[in-house]
Amino acid sequence: GDSVTQMEGPVTLSEEAFLTINCTYTATGYPSLFWYVQYPGEGLQLLLKATKADDKGSNKGFEATYRKETTSFHLEKGSVQVSDSAVYFCALRGSSASKIIFGSGTRLSIRP
Amino acid sequence: NAGVTQTPKFQVLKTGQSMTLQCAQDMNHNSMYWYRQDPGMGLRLIYYSASEGTTDKGEVPNGYNVSRLNKREFSLRLESAAPSQTSVYFCASTTRGAGMTDTQYFGPGTRLTVL
Repeated sequence: GDSVTQMEGPVTLSEEAFLTINCTYTATGYPSLFWYVQYPGEGLQLLLKATKADDKGSNKGFEATYRKETTSFHLEKGSVQVSDSAVYFCALRGSSASKIIFGSGTRLSIRP
Repeated sequence: NAGVTQTPKFQVLKTGQSMTLQCAQDMNHNSMYWYRQDPGMGLRLIYYSASEGTTDKGEVPNGYNVSRLNKREFSLRLESAAPSQTSVYFCASTTRGAGMTDTQYFGPGTRLTVL
């Protein structure tokens, strides 16, 4: 079945550092891919998404490119801020499914 | 426009007690979902409702029941709570169940502890 694997955390960086959180997936067909973010004490909210190969999703300085050849959707940001401290979830919706499959989440902490 | 609301925010139960978690959305979405979030395990789907009048099991349905009361409301019931059901529960909704690009909108969560 469909699945998502993302790098384990926690990830701790200094402010203004470059961020990469790896995500790979297994799915048949052409899934849609998502990154969700969960700030402390809140529910998840969509950060960005991509619906077909080579699409780049972007929002709030974060980017991720849908790479079908490597089945990956890595999240990147050039310069992180303390306010980016949160848990990040990679997710996919399969081409014939009404459900979203979530990865296990990566906790990111940014030091001032 | 409140989005997705959940009640209660916190609850402590004793083993064997029952309770219902309430969820409502005001975005006229067709599909609604219940997840549980446990440390290191991400979100796991308990039940979902692709449209009013239908419900389906997700990944971890045992010990739970759901009711899609109307288009707005989707409740989750624990008939006989167990310590293994200690978790944070999230409700979510989307516009269409089969939409490829649909965003899921999440409620703030209910933190449940079963002693």
